[in-house]
Amino acid sequence: QSALTQPASVSGSPGQSITISCTGTSSDVGGYNYVSWYQQHPGKAPKLMFYDVSNRPSGVSNRFSASKSGTTASLTISGLQAEDEADYFCTSYTSSSTLRVFGTGTKVTVL
Amino acid sequence: QVQLQESGPGLVKPSETLSLTCAVSDYSIGSAYYWGWIRQPPGKGLEWIGSIYHSGSTYYNPSLKSRVTISIDTSKNQFSLNLSSVTAADTAVYYCARDYDILTVRFDYWGQGTLVTVSS
Repeated sequence: QSALTQPASVSGSPGQSITISCTGTSSDVGGYNYVSWYQQHPGKAPKLMFYDVSNRPSGVSNRFSASKSGTTASLTISGLQAEDEADYFCTSYTSSSTLRVFGTGTKVTVL
Repeated sequence: QVQLQESGPGLVKPSETLSLTCAVSDYSIGSAYYWGWIRQPPGKGLEWIGSIYHSGSTYYNPSLKSRVTISIDTSKNQFSLNLSSVTAADTAVYYCARDYDILTVRFDYWGQGTLVTVSS
């Protein structure tokens, strides 16, 4: 089972919007609405940002939004802030025996 | 607020067994949910190791299944990971987390993580 494909890095200036893509296959992202996103600051545990494609847990800023189209899921950060600088990982359920597959990770840099 | 805390040796010799425990507070793990282990090699991405249901059923990543055992002790409100025959490739930060459901991939509460180094 190959990892989901994410861009290695995305950057933007404060106040701008950025979008992180997460590309899979029909066996994972494209086949199920079970995509989650995690934010990870250096040296910290990951934090759940979205589950089931676009469900935001309480406490997550509404500057963050998520969606899916076909085999690609997306995470958008609006009004980019310095505190958003972190690594972001997507993950999905997969019909393969692996059950879960993580993305390669994207480093977000606030310029 | 559910809290999780990993504990165990930070250094394990090659070919030996890595053993970690995750203590859970502010929630009775025997009540519901899955409880999982995820690892992250230094500078790399996340890898799901496996999860255990509150009743004891287990799901493992096939790539590690032959070496992994996850168990649960509801009386102590903790669950554990054993990974046998370790090599340097098993060096990673190991996290425990609440795994909301085996389908939704929703790890909603995490421990702080513990670095395990495999070295002689």
